[in-house]
Amino acid sequence: DAGVIQSPRHEVTEMGQEVTLRCKPISGHNSLFWYRQTMMRGLELLIYFNNNVPIDDSGMPEDRFSAKMPNASFSTLKIQPSEPRDSAVYFCASIPSWGRNTIYFGEGSWLTVV
Amino acid sequence: AQSVAQPEDQVNVAEGNPLTVKCTYSVSGNPYLFWYVQYPNRGLQFLLKYITGDNLVKGSYGFEAEFNKSQTSFHLKKPSALVSDSALYFCAVRDIAGNFNKFYFGSGTKLNVKP
Repeated sequence: DAGVIQSPRHEVTEMGQEVTLRCKPISGHNSLFWYRQTMMRGLELLIYFNNNVPIDDSGMPEDRFSAKMPNASFSTLKIQPSEPRDSAVYFCASIPSWGRNTIYFGEGSWLTVV
Repeated sequence: AQSVAQPEDQVNVAEGNPLTVKCTYSVSGNPYLFWYVQYPNRGLQFLLKYITGDNLVKGSYGFEAEFNKSQTSFHLKKPSALVSDSALYFCAVRDIAGNFNKFYFGSGTKLNVKP
């Protein structure tokens, strides 16, 4: 099993630029999560999808953030325009929606906005 | 509302000594509880979980955790710490009473194991 795959692993961009983070969940997992991790705020849930439909986006910080899941094997998190305070590690995670399974995380996308 | 608390930002222990990383939870109904570990520059990795059954659950890398319903705690333990155990540890609870897919994570505890 390849695990949750995220790209890019590292991104440095200038303030005002658009940033797109990508995620491929584990095959067969139909729930997908986007988390953000910072020193100040810890691990925050931004949004999650079930069967490609956004279920809870209450953690999305502002309208500058948007997420899509066009199919079961791909999701994007977009920041437009980016700001220095968006600098963080963004994690994607997935889980089957049935049973008592745990959640599996990708290795993260390390974003720096200068 | 579901939540977990990790009261210690950091735990320091000498190699070879036992370690405990604390976690308390607040849930409606029966809890599904988890521990994860994050090594530097890596994602979170699953260590162990409690769903039902024996209160003492064993997980990866020699870790175990004890579920205590009366104290609403789920402390992570290891009899003999290794320097390689130094990492960030997260406790989590899965919402089974409301939104089944939502996980609530604690703030994390940094474990430092000194040689």
